[in-house]
Amino acid sequence: GQNIDQPTEMTATEGAIVQINCTYQTSGFNGLFWYQQHAGEAPTFLSYNVLDGLEEKGRFSSFLSRSKGYSYLLLKELQMKDSASYLCALYNFNKFYFGSGTKLNVKP
Amino acid sequence: AAGVIQSPRHLIKEKRETATLKCYPIPRHDTVYWYQQGPGQDPQFLISFYEKMQSDKGSIPDRFSAQQFSDYHSELNMSSLELGDSALYFCASSPKRPGTGYNEQFFGPGTRLTVL
Repeated sequence: GQNIDQPTEMTATEGAIVQINCTYQTSGFNGLFWYQQHAGEAPTFLSYNVLDGLEEKGRFSSFLSRSKGYSYLLLKELQMKDSASYLCALYNFNKFYFGSGTKLNVKP
Repeated sequence: AAGVIQSPRHLIKEKRETATLKCYPIPRHDTVYWYQQGPGQDPQFLISFYEKMQSDKGSIPDRFSAQQFSDYHSELNMSSLELGDSALYFCASSPKRPGTGYNEQFFGPGTRLTVL
């Protein structure tokens, strides 16, 4: 397996910045993806990293360090609609391996 | 923009019945993936197809089978349904062949299967 770990749940305040971490143990993978999933809905793509470093997409940024087996998703200027689960997923050859997801609660 | 279409959106079956879930990928996407997501769990990869051929197989029970047709739509057939098969079933499509470095998957809205 890929042994992907994420915190189960986090709480943050509207307008703040939050960092969701993802650690993994695998010998290799093609890319690391972050998805957002609202309850009962399909996951939607947020960001991905193939190489080490930071990728920025508007309010969302994702960072990858292959040597440390570590990634994070950074959400800025939090909005109430950002309350959702955030899934870290490793893409290896033909399929994704998803982490258990982090449920983010944004409060006023 | 066109998205992945799944039907039906909701399905209720009884134990030991069969079910067929359908997935219509985004036009010009020739790769389809199926995932199962149980309550409070992460999506688990079941099976994938590229150009109408099975590309990879994950944790799909032997009671399940799937195929991709000439128009690239895919069907997941589930037989001898069990209570534990109750879950959200997502289909995702991709414009690239499996194994490429970057392969963004676009998820459909899912089919919620309830087995009574």
